[in-house]
Amino acid sequence: GAVVSQHPSWVICKSGTSVKIECRSLDFQATTMFWYRQFPKQSLMLMATSNEGSKATYEQGVEKDKFLINHASLTLSTLTVTSAHPEDSSFYICSASSPGDNEKLFFGSGTQLSVL
Amino acid sequence: GEDVEQSLFLSVREGDSSVINCTYTDSSSTYLYWYKQEPGAGLQLLTYIFSNMDMKQDQRLTVLLNKKDKHLSLRIADTQTGDSAIYFCAEAGGYNKLIFGAGTRLAVHP
Repeated sequence: GAVVSQHPSWVICKSGTSVKIECRSLDFQATTMFWYRQFPKQSLMLMATSNEGSKATYEQGVEKDKFLINHASLTLSTLTVTSAHPEDSSFYICSASSPGDNEKLFFGSGTQLSVL
Repeated sequence: GEDVEQSLFLSVREGDSSVINCTYTDSSSTYLYWYKQEPGAGLQLLTYIFSNMDMKQDQRLTVLLNKKDKHLSLRIADTQTGDSAIYFCAEAGGYNKLIFGAGTRLAVHP
C-alpha cells in the first residue's frame, strides 16, 4: 500500500519553543492530508485538514495560531506547534489518502512530543 | 452527534478467536474501518467495509456489519501474540473525515 512518512518520531523541547513535524507521502501525491492528536489511552482526535495550496481547515476547539499547518506541495504537509507548553505534549499522527483509492487513509508512524 | 463506542479491553488465549465490537451512530457512514495500533506506532489499516455489505473476510480477519443496529465487529481467527495491540474502529461520513472509537486493547496470553 501507499507509504506515509512522518518525522521526527519523537521530540523533546523546552516550553516556549516551536516544533515542526513533517508528513510526506512517499509514493503518491496527496492533495489532502490530515493531522490527528492522541492523548494517552484515548482515541485520535482530528485536528485539521490540510489542503495543498490553500489554508488548512481546523476542527472546532483547535487553535490555528498555535498549530500552524503548511501544505506547500503534493507530497509534504507540516505541522508546527508554536510556543509549546507541557499540555501540548501528545502523540501527533498524520494521514493521507491515495488518489484512486479514496476509501483508504494511510497513516504516518506518529510523533511523540514531550514539552518540558 | 457522531459517536463511536468500543469496549476498552479484551483478553484472549493464543489460538482462540478474538471478537472486537463497535457501535456507531451516523447512519450515513459510507465506509467503516478497522485500524491496528502497536505501541508508539502509527495506525495500520487492517480492513474496511462498505456500508452496503454485511460481511467481509480477509484471511484471518472477518468483519460483520449490522447496519440496522449500527454494529460492527472484527473477528480475528487463531489469535497470535503478534496480534496484541489496540484496535480502533472508525466511521467515515464525509470525505475521509474519520471518527474513531476509543480503541480496544487486545491482550493475547499463552
